[in-house]
Amino acid sequence: AQSVAQPEDQVNVAEGNPLTVKCTYSVSGNPYLFWYVQYPNRGLQFLLKYITGDNLVKGSYGFEAEFNKSQTSFHLKKPSALVSDSALYFCAVRDTRDSNYQLIWGAGTKLIIKP
Amino acid sequence: DSGVTQTPKHLITATGQRVTLRCSPRSGDLSVYWYQQSLDQGLQFLIQYYNGEERAKGNILERFSAQQFPDLHSELNLSSLELGDSALYFCASSEAGLFYNEQFFGPGTRLTVL
Repeated sequence: AQSVAQPEDQVNVAEGNPLTVKCTYSVSGNPYLFWYVQYPNRGLQFLLKYITGDNLVKGSYGFEAEFNKSQTSFHLKKPSALVSDSALYFCAVRDTRDSNYQLIWGAGTKLIIKP
Repeated sequence: DSGVTQTPKHLITATGQRVTLRCSPRSGDLSVYWYQQSLDQGLQFLIQYYNGEERAKGNILERFSAQQFPDLHSELNLSSLELGDSALYFCASSEAGLFYNEQFFGPGTRLTVL
């Protein structure tokens, strides 16, 4: 069965430090992977996606994510965190063998950046 | 601004009532998705429509129904409302129902059932 795991409910990082938000997945086919961010009282915003090609994907607001097939992971990273990065982050995956194209969502990770 | 609009922004109603939430997708997007977000259950996929046809169903209760109209806007109908239905309801749209398309989310409708 398809699944996505975000093992940390919350990640705390000091401003200026690098940040990582973890995501692992399980699919039967090939994965198409996505990261979204949700600021307080707002809808989700697309950050980046991995479809194929280079394992390092760059997205909005200076974020990037690395696809690791052997570890079935797609961790979100940023070299230097800003207080404004504080938000809820969701990882999602589509399984290319799922004819319904359904997007499977992680539970979300709350990122808190402290000044 | 994602280009996806949702109305109303807030809705307060009583148990047992019926409400309709409305969503207009981005111009040109054929797929519409509905999600429920509550504090204790995270983001739950409810249902997807593609060009007027139901494409996929998630954890949607039988009391809930949706449709997508010829102009591609969509409505989510929630009936016999219970306290536990209080949540944020998001609509999202994408260009087509393809694997690699990202979804664009509306601002959500906050439903409070008293």
